[in-house]
Amino acid sequence: GQSLEQPSEVTAVEGAIVQINCTYQTSGFYGLSWYQQHDGGAPTFLSYNGLDGLEETGRFSSFLSRSDSYGYLLLQELQMKDSASYFCAVSHTGTASKLTFGTGTRLQVTL
Amino acid sequence: DAEITQSPRHKITETGRQVTLACHQTWNHNNMFWYRQDLGHGLRLIHYSYGVHDTNKGEVSDGYSVSRSNTEDLPLTLESAASSQTSVYFCASSEASGKSYNEQFFGPGTRLTVL
Repeated sequence: GQSLEQPSEVTAVEGAIVQINCTYQTSGFYGLSWYQQHDGGAPTFLSYNGLDGLEETGRFSSFLSRSDSYGYLLLQELQMKDSASYFCAVSHTGTASKLTFGTGTRLQVTL
Repeated sequence: DAEITQSPRHKITETGRQVTLACHQTWNHNNMFWYRQDLGHGLRLIHYSYGVHDTNKGEVSDGYSVSRSNTEDLPLTLESAASSQTSVYFCASSEASGKSYNEQFFGPGTRLTVL
């Protein structure tokens, strides 16, 4: 079967750094993606890791370790607008564009 | 600008009725997906399509069907709506290949209530 685990909630202070972890169990792993979703909105793509290591996009970075079946999303210089839910999602060999999503981590940024 | 739209945005229906949710994209993407989102479950894949006349079942396909007659549209039909199908439904699309094919673009969602 397939499973993804991520914390249900995280709270952090504005200006701080927060890390959202994602562990997965799946056959035929191809890559790990991250999506952001504000309340009432649609998910939007943040990043993709197909290879081990760190991918950086502005204030956001994402990391993957295939050997540990583990990844994380790192958000730096947190802003109030970063308060949202964050989903990790795995893609699979043979159907690489099809995603299986985790249940999401709700990030609350406070003053 | 290219976009992906869904209609209606809100729908209330009764148990047993047939309901069709529309999804239209102007990205010219070959891949299209339907998800439902419920509290505690994240996004779960209902059906997906890799091109015209291609459809595939996802993890929660029972009670739903799709058809793909052109590149732009993938309507989702609930054959006989049930209260368990009350949810928010998202349509998404992605490229079939190339640098961005791992990125899915989501529509604004349809909130469906089955009474």
